[in-house]
Amino acid sequence: DAEITQSPRHKITETGRQVTLACHQTWNHNNMFWYRQDLGHGLRLIHYSYGVQDTNKGEVSDGYSVSRSNTEDLPLTLESAASSQTSVYFCASSEGTSGRPYNEQFFGPGTRLTVL
Amino acid sequence: AQSVTQLDSQVPVFEEAPVELRCNYSSSVSVYLFWYVQYPNQGLQLLLKYLSGSTLVESINGFEAEFNKSQTSFHLRKPSVHISDTAEYFCAVSVFGNEKLTFGTGTRLTIIP
Repeated sequence: DAEITQSPRHKITETGRQVTLACHQTWNHNNMFWYRQDLGHGLRLIHYSYGVQDTNKGEVSDGYSVSRSNTEDLPLTLESAASSQTSVYFCASSEGTSGRPYNEQFFGPGTRLTVL
Repeated sequence: AQSVTQLDSQVPVFEEAPVELRCNYSSSVSVYLFWYVQYPNQGLQLLLKYLSGSTLVESINGFEAEFNKSQTSFHLRKPSVHISDTAEYFCAVSVFGNEKLTFGTGTRLTIIP
């Protein structure tokens, strides 16, 4: 079955280290999104991509970067981890080419990141 | 820009009682509206959506939501809740031609046996 996976599921790192969170989808979806979930803030969009080589900043992009070299993957990199980036990170994907007015986003299981 | 307000961060409800989770939005253009559910330790799943047409939309597990343009609301209701409905519920909005979602802060629904 097609799915969207994230790895690792849990990560503890130290302030200043570079961290990369993986997101992989097997639906062949064009659109991919990264969100962070924090208590009292809901989910906030970090970066998104509408296709290979396309990346865009979201609401809270400072300190994060993404690259889209193929359809299946959108890794999220924290260049120099900070304690404020302790959060749960969700990846999502949607079809993007159906011609429908809106395409449902499918979410991965999340990665819990702790920055000490 | 769009915004979503969920005023209730937590809603405790007795089993088999009705529940309403409130959602209000703000936007200068027409919007699409969504409710997502997050069960413990899982990702989000789409519960129901309003794109156009009938203002009352229903999910397969008994939830319904009504789009009210004049009150800019999209409240979620269920006439009788079950233990299995325990989850966090997020209201979200997007605009035509743009598939980015703007989420509310979420409402944690706790069912009391």
